[in-house]
Amino acid sequence: DVKVTQSSRYLVKRTGEKVFLECVQDMDHENMFWYRQDPGLGLRLIYFSYDVKMKEKGDIPEGYSVSREKKERFSLILESASTNQTSMYLCASSSWGHNSPLHFGNGTRLTVT
Amino acid sequence: AQKVTQAQTEISVVEKEDVTLDCVYETRDTTYYLFWYKQPPSGELVFLIRRNSFDEQNEISGRYSWNFQKSTSSFNFTITASQVVDSAVYFCALSNNNAGNMLTFGGGTRLMVKP
Repeated sequence: DVKVTQSSRYLVKRTGEKVFLECVQDMDHENMFWYRQDPGLGLRLIYFSYDVKMKEKGDIPEGYSVSREKKERFSLILESASTNQTSMYLCASSSWGHNSPLHFGNGTRLTVT
Repeated sequence: AQKVTQAQTEISVVEKEDVTLDCVYETRDTTYYLFWYKQPPSGELVFLIRRNSFDEQNEISGRYSWNFQKSTSSFNFTITASQVVDSAVYFCALSNNNAGNMLTFGGGTRLMVKP
């Protein structure tokens, strides 16, 4: 079974802090994704990566950056956290190919105060 | 631009009732893929089904069935004889013909099945 692990289930940070959300997958997947989930808005893609050191902006990249130094690890970085970044963050991975479903982690609920 | 609309934000049913979750999509692509995911209270989205745009056959898997109608751009999901364990948020999603598998998600429908 594919396992996608997000390092924290809950995080509370202060405005202006730099925040790192970590995600690791164990199935050698090429693609990795960061989504944020907000009520009524579903999941919105922040960034994705299709290979080591490669990244593409999703629908809402502003205020975020990502890092993929190793195939299994994809980090989401909030350079200076703001209250409007309070949300549930979901990491996912998939193999390359049109029919490959995404496999999700359990999510990190981030609160910025 | 792609768009997925799940007009029902919340549905509440009593156990053993049948329930249909609606999904309407918009895309200019002729080749695309449709998905349904389930998010139980634990938070992890679980893949349920994928369909490509050339396959309009309905699918049944146990108590779950899916009705794909290209003419109305809909991909509805029916649970027959619902159970309490079906309580979750369900997401419909759309992907165009890209091997990167970027999905556009609907807003989700929260299903509550009461005993």
